[in-house]
Order: sequence, then C-alpha cells, then structure tokens
Amino acid sequence: DGGITQSPKYLFRKEGQNVTLSCEQNLNHDAMYWYRQDPGQGLRLIYYSQIVNDFQKGDIAEGYSVSREKKESFPLTVTSAQKNPTAFYLCASRPGTGLSEAFFGQGTRLTVV
Amino acid sequence: GNSVTQMEGPVTLSEEAFLTINCTYTATGYPSLFWYVQYPGEGLQLLLKATKADDKGSNKGFEATYRKETTSFHLEKGSVQVSDSAVYFCALTSSREYGNKLVFGAGTILRVKS
Repeated sequence: DGGITQSPKYLFRKEGQNVTLSCEQNLNHDAMYWYRQDPGQGLRLIYYSQIVNDFQKGDIAEGYSVSREKKESFPLTVTSAQKNPTAFYLCASRPGTGLSEAFFGQGTRLTVV
Repeated sequence: GNSVTQMEGPVTLSEEAFLTINCTYTATGYPSLFWYVQYPGEGLQLLLKATKADDKGSNKGFEATYRKETTSFHLEKGSVQVSDSAVYFCALTSSREYGNKLVFGAGTILRVKS
C-alpha cells in the first residue's frame, strides 16, 4: 500500500541532545513537508521540499534542520538549539504540481525529559 | 498572504444533531479548498475538497460548498455520531502561495455526546 511512514511514533529526548525524526513515502511525490502541532493549536510549517536536494524554511525553522537526498525520504533533525521541542510532528507529501491535497503520516510525538 | 479563519471550539453536540463549522478564507488567485480531520493521536486525513467556485465536496455525510462571493467553505453534516468526535481543519492552497503551500486554519474541536 502507498503511504507515508513516520517513525518512531513516540520519542523521548534528553535536553541538549539532537534527535532525528524519520519520514518515508512511497507515493512518488515530489513535495514533502514538516509541520509542528502543539496542544490545542493548528499546524505550523517547519520546512518543505519541492524537489530532491532542495528545501526551504517554513514559518518556524529555527532549531530544526532537514535533508532531501532521496525523493522518498525527508528526515527532520530537532537540534539542541530548539528551545521548546516537545510537540507532535507531522510529515506530509504532495505530488508537487498543481493544487493537490497533501497526504499525512501518523505523526511522531517528541517529549523532552 | 493567504489565510484561513475557522470558528473557535470546542463545539459540543448531542448525537444526531446538525453540525456546522464555519470557515472563511483570504486568498489571491483561485485557491483549492480542503477539510481535513484528525482523530486523537493520529495524522490528518483528507475529508473532502473543492477546486473551483460552487463546487460541493462531500464524503461520509459531510459536505462543504466553495462560495467565492462570501469566501467561505463551511463544513456541514446533517446528523453527527459519537465517532465524528475529532479536530477539523480547513485549508487552502493557491498558485499565488510560494511553493503552492497549504495554509491551515487553527482547527475546531468537535465533541459529540451520546
């Protein structure tokens, strides 16, 4: 089945550590996105990529980094510079052309302990 | 820039009640409009969409009509069930938005009581 897989579902991190969230899609989509969701709030765009080897900052990129070395993969690293990293992180993809809908993964809940 | 405004929640209804969740937008160009649903602890799922004025999107008893004159895309359902309890997001995408990014509303929590 085609879809987007995020792993792990739950992640715990000690303060000061970097951590990488995985996002893989087998939909052959060009565009991929990372969103952050805080309790009771909407989605805020962290980074997005429209094509392999290219990505742009979203609205809240500080303290995060990404790479797009393969079309199917778009990992997100939460660095120690992110002051308040505890949140629910969602990855999404789209075909990349036109005004199509996005397809979402199941999310990763990151907790800093 | 483009933006989406949804009615604030939570919205609490009894089973079989009529549901309306208001959504209005500001956009340049001709946006496509979407409703997504998020169940607890999960990602977002596309509920319905409309790509041009006067289009009606529908799915699982939910409907929304793309109203260009009022820049609205209100979500409705004639008879809600407990299983409809979730967070609902209105969203748009436009060719005038750099990268054709999706712009989301803040989400509306729906709670349905039995």
